[in-house]
Amino acid sequence: GNSVTQMEGPVTLSEEAFLTINCTYTATGYPSLFWYVQYPGEGLQLLLKATKADDKGSNKGFEATYRKETTSFHLEKGSVQVSDSAVYFCALGNAGNMLTFGGGTRLMVKP
Amino acid sequence: DADVTQTPRNRITKTGKRIMLECSQTKGHDRMYWYRQDPGLGLRLIYYSFDVKDINKGEISDGYSVSRQAQAKFSLSLESAIPNQTALYFCATSDPSREWETQYFGPGTRLLVL
Repeated sequence: GNSVTQMEGPVTLSEEAFLTINCTYTATGYPSLFWYVQYPGEGLQLLLKATKADDKGSNKGFEATYRKETTSFHLEKGSVQVSDSAVYFCALGNAGNMLTFGGGTRLMVKP
Repeated sequence: DADVTQTPRNRITKTGKRIMLECSQTKGHDRMYWYRQDPGLGLRLIYYSFDVKDINKGEISDGYSVSRQAQAKFSLSLESAIPNQTALYFCATSDPSREWETQYFGPGTRLLVL
């Protein structure tokens, strides 16, 4: 079956620090990969996605590259801001049209 | 106005009570989903519906039921609430004719079962 594993949080960084949140997956077939973000008190919203191997998704300064050889989709940002504080979810979508989510990683950015 | 709305936003109930959580969307999407979120477990799928006449069980459907009253409305019921159903519940939609994997989430309903 499909599964997604993320690093446990919370991740606490100072403003302008470099961010990496690790995500690895197990899946049959050729899934699409996603990062969703949940800001405090809100629902999830799509941050970025990649639909095939070696694709790079990017949005709002965040990037993630679909690595089939390592079954990974790590989220990175070069310089985080306080406003990036949120919970980040890695997810995969398969041919069954379902999304499988990881457990989420809370990011806290301090001024 | 929000595209996906959920009511109520917060609810406290007692063990054994029947409750209903409602979801409405103005996005015109055929597909709707109910998830629950528990700390450290991410989101788990309870039920999903690909159109008004299609209802499917998800990963954790026991103790829950749903009703798709219209394209825009998808309700989740807890027939007899129990404390381990305390969680944050999210409704989501997607459009299979376009980017089907991209789901649009409501703001969530926080449920506490005493």
